[in-house]
Amino acid sequence: DAGVIQSPRHEVTEMGQEVTLRCKPISGHNSLFWYRQTMMRGLELLIYFNNNVPIDDSGMPEDRFSAKMPNASFSTLKIQPSEPRDSAVYFCASSFYDEQFFGPGTRLTVL
Amino acid sequence: AQKITQTQPGMFVQEKEAVTLDCTYDTSDQSYGLFWYKQPSSGEMIFLIYQGSYDEQNATEGRYSLNFQKARKSANLVISASQLGDSAMYFCAMREPGTASKLTFGTGTRLQVTL
Repeated sequence: DAGVIQSPRHEVTEMGQEVTLRCKPISGHNSLFWYRQTMMRGLELLIYFNNNVPIDDSGMPEDRFSAKMPNASFSTLKIQPSEPRDSAVYFCASSFYDEQFFGPGTRLTVL
Repeated sequence: AQKITQTQPGMFVQEKEAVTLDCTYDTSDQSYGLFWYKQPSSGEMIFLIYQGSYDEQNATEGRYSLNFQKARKSANLVISASQLGDSAMYFCAMREPGTASKLTFGTGTRLQVTL
């Protein structure tokens, strides 16, 4: 079975550009999570969805960040405009009940 | 607010020895879940083991076991017979009840297995 799929795996962009990260959760999972990992702040939950509905977006750092889940098999995290401090690894995870299964992550570098 | 504390930033263990990674948590809820994840240098997050607050037995998964002491609010991970491939960051996490599996993570422990 395929795990959580994220694309791109690496993204390098310039400050001010729009960045879109994509995630395909494991089929049958009803919850989806977006995390950001940095050396300074560790692993932070940005937002999570349950049955495609955003439940808690309190971790989204500011209005430049937005996330959507138009259907059960796809989610996006968008940063517009991007800033150097957004450089991090962004993980998507999905779950059905307890265990969250993580994707490989997207390493974002904003120059 | 839930809180997870991992007090060991780094640990060393010799190959084939057992090692315990500490995790304490703070919650006023009666129902919660505790998780351990492994993050090797390649960066992926790998689920290892889960313990429910009402589980009477300590969870075990192969060489991984969870030493769950509810009264002390600790959920230490025990890795038996360490292997070189166990070298990684290990994160403890807690599920907040009624939140569709929202997890709060600790800061992690870096384990280095030596020959």
